[in-house]
Amino acid sequence: AQSVTQPDIHITVSEGASLELRCNYSYGATPYLFWYVQSPGQGLQLLLKYFSGDTLVQGIKGFEAEFKRSQSSFNLRKPSVHWSDAAEYFCAVAGSGNTGKLIFGQGTTLQVKP
Amino acid sequence: NAGVTQTPKFQVLKTGQSMTLQCAQDMNHEYMSWYRQDPGMGLRLIHYSVGAGITDQGEVPNGYNVSRSTTEDFPLRLLSAAPSQTSVYFCASSLQSKPTYEQYFGPGTRLTVT
Repeated sequence: AQSVTQPDIHITVSEGASLELRCNYSYGATPYLFWYVQSPGQGLQLLLKYFSGDTLVQGIKGFEAEFKRSQSSFNLRKPSVHWSDAAEYFCAVAGSGNTGKLIFGQGTTLQVKP
Repeated sequence: NAGVTQTPKFQVLKTGQSMTLQCAQDMNHEYMSWYRQDPGMGLRLIHYSVGAGITDQGEVPNGYNVSRSTTEDFPLRLLSAAPSQTSVYFCASSLQSKPTYEQYFGPGTRLTVT
């Protein structure tokens, strides 16, 4: 069965430090992968997506993610975190078929220390 | 262009009461869906629709009904609310159900069932 695992429930980094959020997926075929961000009290906003091609994808707000098929991973990175990046981050994989279903990980809450 | 709108933002129900969560989009999107978000579980798909008059069940459909009489609206009905339905509910839409089309999420409805 398809699944997404985000091993870190909560991460705290200092402002200006680098960030890596982990995501592992289980999917038989080539996956469509996404990272979403949810600011407090808000809906989800798409940060970036991977469908095919270059395994390093760039997103909004200075985020990037690297698809590694051998490790079934799609980790999110940012070189220098800003206080406004504090939010909850969700990794997701598109379900099989064209149902539009997204399978989400449990989410990682990012806290940024001044 | 308001995007995806949801009403109400907050709701408290007593066990056994019924209510309808409203979702509307003004982007002429064919695909609409409902998710619920629970702590530590990410988002799970409740129901989805690939066009007016067409709906289908997602991962956790029990206790919820949907209909899609227009392209714009996709209401979610709770027929007899239960405490297990306490959650944050998100509506999403995209041009089509294919994963290559970005999904846009509404701001959510926080529902408490006592």
